[in-house]
Amino acid sequence: AQRVTQPEKLLSVFKGAPVELKCNYSYSGSPELFWYVQYSRQRLQLLLRHISRESIKGFTADLNKGETSFHLKKPFAQEEDSAMYYCALKGNTPLVFGKGTRLSVIA
Amino acid sequence: DSGVTQTPKHLITATGQRVTLRCSPRSGDLSVYWYQQSLDQGLQFLIQYYNGEERAKGNILERFSAQQFPDLHSELNLSSLELGDSALYFCASSVGEGTLPSGANVLTFGAGSRLTVL
Repeated sequence: AQRVTQPEKLLSVFKGAPVELKCNYSYSGSPELFWYVQYSRQRLQLLLRHISRESIKGFTADLNKGETSFHLKKPFAQEEDSAMYYCALKGNTPLVFGKGTRLSVIA
Repeated sequence: DSGVTQTPKHLITATGQRVTLRCSPRSGDLSVYWYQQSLDQGLQFLIQYYNGEERAKGNILERFSAQQFPDLHSELNLSSLELGDSALYFCASSVGEGTLPSGANVLTFGAGSRLTVL
């Protein structure tokens, strides 16, 4: 079975502080991992995916197969990063999402 | 707008009733996915269609059905509605079928249809 766990429902950080949104997954095969983000009053949209190995809006995420994790990181949080973040896994079925973490960046 | 379009945005109905949610995929996308988002369950995959054919089925109740038409738009039919069916229903689309790791499988989401069952 495919499962994604985001242990934190809410994460509050101060502007300029580092951010780490945790994501752990369960899948026996080779997964494809994604982070999606939903800003206030906007649609759910792709932030980044592990295959691209890119940095988007200062965010990075590294797939750690040993720890089955795909944590999202940013060295310096900005107020505009406040949003709902979802980790998602694609194995042999369509995307399975975690329950999401709400990031609140405090000025 | 060439993005994913969902109608209606909001729908209020009574228990036992039937509703139809509509989705037009992004131009050029052949796959359509339906997800249900309720407060406690997060985003739950319901069903996927690719070029008119059912491709994958998730936690979709027997009271729910879907189809994808030749013009690639899709409809999700919810019948014998219960209070617990109240949720946000998202449609998403992608270019690819979803069988291989590929940028063609990145999902583009619609704004959602909020269903309230009273």
